[in-house]
Amino acid sequence: NAGVTQTPKFQVLKTGQSMTLQCAQDMNHEYMSWYRQDPGMGLRLIHYSVGAGITDQGEVPNGYNVSRSTTEDFPLRLLSAAPSQTSVYFCASSSPRGGGGNEQFFGPGTRLTVL
Amino acid sequence: SQQGEEDPQALSIQEGENATMNCSYKTSINNLQWYRQNSGRGLVHLILIRSNEREKHSGRLRVTLDTSKKSSSLLITASRAADTASYFCVPISGTYKYIFGTGTRLKVLA
Repeated sequence: NAGVTQTPKFQVLKTGQSMTLQCAQDMNHEYMSWYRQDPGMGLRLIHYSVGAGITDQGEVPNGYNVSRSTTEDFPLRLLSAAPSQTSVYFCASSSPRGGGGNEQFFGPGTRLTVL
Repeated sequence: SQQGEEDPQALSIQEGENATMNCSYKTSINNLQWYRQNSGRGLVHLILIRSNEREKHSGRLRVTLDTSKKSSSLLITASRAADTASYFCVPISGTYKYIFGTGTRLKVLA
C-alpha cells in the first residue's frame, strides 16, 4: 500500500492564480481531511469528507473548495491564491470501522508559497 | 468536536530522561489520540486510548486517561534524540472532525 499520497510536494503560485492540490489513498478509507500548518503552529482543519459525495467545512474553509467523487481521491482547490495561503498542506484519511474516531494516516504534505 | 490543549508548550530534556506531556479537553470523549510530527513532516499516529481505558502502553510510550479530570498524559521513557518532535493530542467526541491544538515541542539533547 502506498498509503496517503500528495502531489505536488512543492508549489509556488502568484497571487490570484488557482490550483488543485491532489490527495489519494489506497486504504479504502471513508474519511478524508485537509489541514494547513503555518510555521510554528498546529494543524488547522480546512475541509473534510465522510464518504464519496459528502463534504463539510472545517475551521478555516474560506478560499478553498473540495469535492469527493471517489473514495480514493480528495482534491483541494485554491480558487484565487493569496499570500495568506502560504502554508504546508496535509491530507489525512481514516476508517470509521468499529465506530469511528480511528487513527488518521497522513500524507507527506505539500509546501505552497504564494507570492 | 473539540481541541485538546497540550502542556507544556515546549520541553527540553537530556537523552535517557523521561518526558511527560499533558493534555486537557473540555467535553466527554469516545477516545483520545496522540500524534507525533518530526520537523515539519507528516504526522504519525502514536496511540489511541478509549474512554473506558485508564492506561495504555506501546513500547516506550505510556498514556493515561482521567475522564473525571478531562485530562491525559503521554510519558516517553528513556528518551532518545530521535524523539525530538512535536506531540499533539486529539480528543474524539464521536464526530469525524479531528481538531489539533498547538502541541508540545519536545527537544531531546544528546
